[in-house]
Amino acid sequence: ETGVTQSPTHLIKTRGQQVTLRCSSQSGHNTVSWYQQALGQGPQFIFQYYREEENGRGNFPPRFSGLQFPNYSSELNVNALELDDSALYLCASSDRGGNTEAFFGQGTRLTVV
Amino acid sequence: AQSVTQLGSHVSVSEGALVLLRCNYSSSVPPYLFWYVQYPNQGLQLLLKYTSAATLVKGINDFEAEFKKSETSFHLTKPSAHMSDAAEYFCAVSAGQGAQKLVFGQGTRLTINP
Repeated sequence: ETGVTQSPTHLIKTRGQQVTLRCSSQSGHNTVSWYQQALGQGPQFIFQYYREEENGRGNFPPRFSGLQFPNYSSELNVNALELDDSALYLCASSDRGGNTEAFFGQGTRLTVV
Repeated sequence: AQSVTQLGSHVSVSEGALVLLRCNYSSSVPPYLFWYVQYPNQGLQLLLKYTSAATLVKGINDFEAEFKKSETSFHLTKPSAHMSDAAEYFCAVSAGQGAQKLVFGQGTRLTINP
C-alpha cells in the first residue's frame, strides 16, 4: 500500500458536465502528477504540481485543470466532458527533492455517457 | 523527447518458464527507466528502476532488468513465472529528475498458463 489515496473510485458523468477528482499524496511528498489511462493503453501524463504550482503539462486541452493545496493534496478538474474522457485517472506522488520513485494511487474510473 | 516501445502487446508463458518482456526507449538525455505492474482495476506498482547506477537492476518478486545503452533497451525478466505474475506490465522513461513526468509504453499483458 502506497499511501496515495484517490476519490471517488468510480464516477459516471454525462457529456458536457464537469468533474473533480481528488488525490491525497503520500506523507512527505511535495509533487503530484496526474495521468489518464484509456482502456488498453498506457498512462499519459496530464500535468504535474510542485508546491502548489503547475510544473509541466502534457498534450491535454485547457479544459483539464488542476490545483495543489498547501498540504500537497491535489484536484483534477475536467470541464465540458467528452465521451473520450472516459478513462482511469491516476494520481502519483513523489518527492521532487531527490527520491526517484513515484507512488500511484488506485485511480478513479470515470465513465462519460 | 522521450518515448518507449514495448514489443508485444501480449505475452503468454507456462508456469515455471522464463518471462521476458521487451522495452526499447528513446531519450535525448540519460534516462531514468522504470517497470511498473498493474493488476486489474488497480493502480501501478513499481517493480524496479534504473537511475544510472548498476546496469543490472533487481526488483521485487525476483524480477530484474538490464539497461543496455548500445541497444537502447531495458528488458524485464524473471527466471520462473508464477500464476500470480499475470498482469499488465508497463515500461516508462523519465527525462526529468527521477520519476518526474513519466512517459509510458503501451503495456504488455502477461498471461501464465498452468
